[in-house]
Amino acid sequence: DTGVSQNPRHKITKRGQNVTFRCDPISEHNRLYWYRQTLGQGPEFLTYFQNEAQLEKSRLLSDRFSAERPKGSFSTLEIQRTEQGDSAMYLCASSLQGATGELFFGEGSRLTVL
Amino acid sequence: AQSVTQLDSHVSVSEGTPVLLRCNYSSSYSPSLFWYVQHPNKGLQLLLKYTSAATLVKGINGFEAEFKKSETSFHLTKPSAHMSDAAEYFCVVSDLGSSNTGKLIFGQGTTLQVKP
Repeated sequence: DTGVSQNPRHKITKRGQNVTFRCDPISEHNRLYWYRQTLGQGPEFLTYFQNEAQLEKSRLLSDRFSAERPKGSFSTLEIQRTEQGDSAMYLCASSLQGATGELFFGEGSRLTVL
Repeated sequence: AQSVTQLDSHVSVSEGTPVLLRCNYSSSYSPSLFWYVQHPNKGLQLLLKYTSAATLVKGINGFEAEFKKSETSFHLTKPSAHMSDAAEYFCVVSDLGSSNTGKLIFGQGTTLQVKP
């Protein structure tokens, strides 16, 4: 399968713990996005990379959140000191520069914070 | 700033009957608009897109949408619903700010239920 891959698919953690999610985009895509989706809502933009450069961060992305894309390929999203309000589906998507709006999404990583 | 409003949170139709999912947009620019579909336990998938060419846009699985500037609408339609169409549908606008990041702004979604 050559689509966008996210791991783990499900994560249950206790409040205060750190979690990390990984996203492997479609190999030739230079743009990578992270979104968050809570129950009954549409996805909300978190951050965006073009190659290895993080070019935009939403104000939703507090200091506890950090994302990296070290070699312009896979990306990680780390949440430190998790809170119950962090419980959500974290979606990764990739695209080619210039392919406006044509994002390819992974199946998401669901986080539950107890 | 760009935004979209999906007018129905839940739509229920019978199999074989038409589908109409409503979306209004707000944009300072000439917008790029999209519909995405999310089936349970599946990734979001692009259904169709409007990028200032033809106002009637055809997508996958028999869906189409019409861009109406005068009504600031981009409603999604299908002549005949199939059971496999049951899913969550999102109206989306591309954030065409100066940075042109390709960032998408999603509506809140419409759940389509198809009854046998």
